[in-house]
Amino acid sequence: EAQVTQNPRYLITVTGKKLTVTCSQNMNHEYMSWYRQDPGLGLRQIYYSMNVEVTDKGDVPEGYKVSRKEKRNFPLILESPSPNQTSLYFCASSLIQKNTGELFFGEGSRLTVL
Amino acid sequence: LAKTTQPISMDSYEGQEVNITCSHNNIATNDYITWYQQFPSQGPRFIIQGYKTKVTNEVASLFIPADRKSSTLSLPRVSLSDTAVYYCLVGALYNNNDMRFGAGTRLTVKP
Repeated sequence: EAQVTQNPRYLITVTGKKLTVTCSQNMNHEYMSWYRQDPGLGLRQIYYSMNVEVTDKGDVPEGYKVSRKEKRNFPLILESPSPNQTSLYFCASSLIQKNTGELFFGEGSRLTVL
Repeated sequence: LAKTTQPISMDSYEGQEVNITCSHNNIATNDYITWYQQFPSQGPRFIIQGYKTKVTNEVASLFIPADRKSSTLSLPRVSLSDTAVYYCLVGALYNNNDMRFGAGTRLTVKP
């Protein structure tokens, strides 16, 4: 089954404790992206990647890191989480060639930073 | 990047047709218009996409005027299960890499 898988789905952590949210897709998509969703603010893009070893900042990259060592994986790293990073996170992927904008999303990861 | 503007919320009743309009005054020549639906605590899901005139699928219709500065998502005979947030996205992944969402329109369907 074609899908985008995120882990963990739920996480409660404390300020300053490094964490990684994994994202994996099995559709051989070049493009992957991370969004955060907060009440009243819609989806805001954190980082995106056009292919392996190619990443770029979105609208809200501060406090986050990403890596794209393999085509299927695009982990989101919070080196020193803070309470303002409490949010619902979504990973998305897509083909690029001839792609006019259809994104495939994961189920989301709800993160709480105390 | 074409900025999009949508109403924050809309209410409707079961069985009615719902039209949600998105404004995108500075849409570029190569941009497509894509609509997504999102239920609470789920990732957005692709609904429909178009470039100009009218597109229809089993779920919705998309109307795009000749100047392409706006678009209207039409949901025929909505049901309670259509209660969701609807996002309009303008761009083309192969062209500008920029898939940024606006705040979306929260549609509430009442019995």
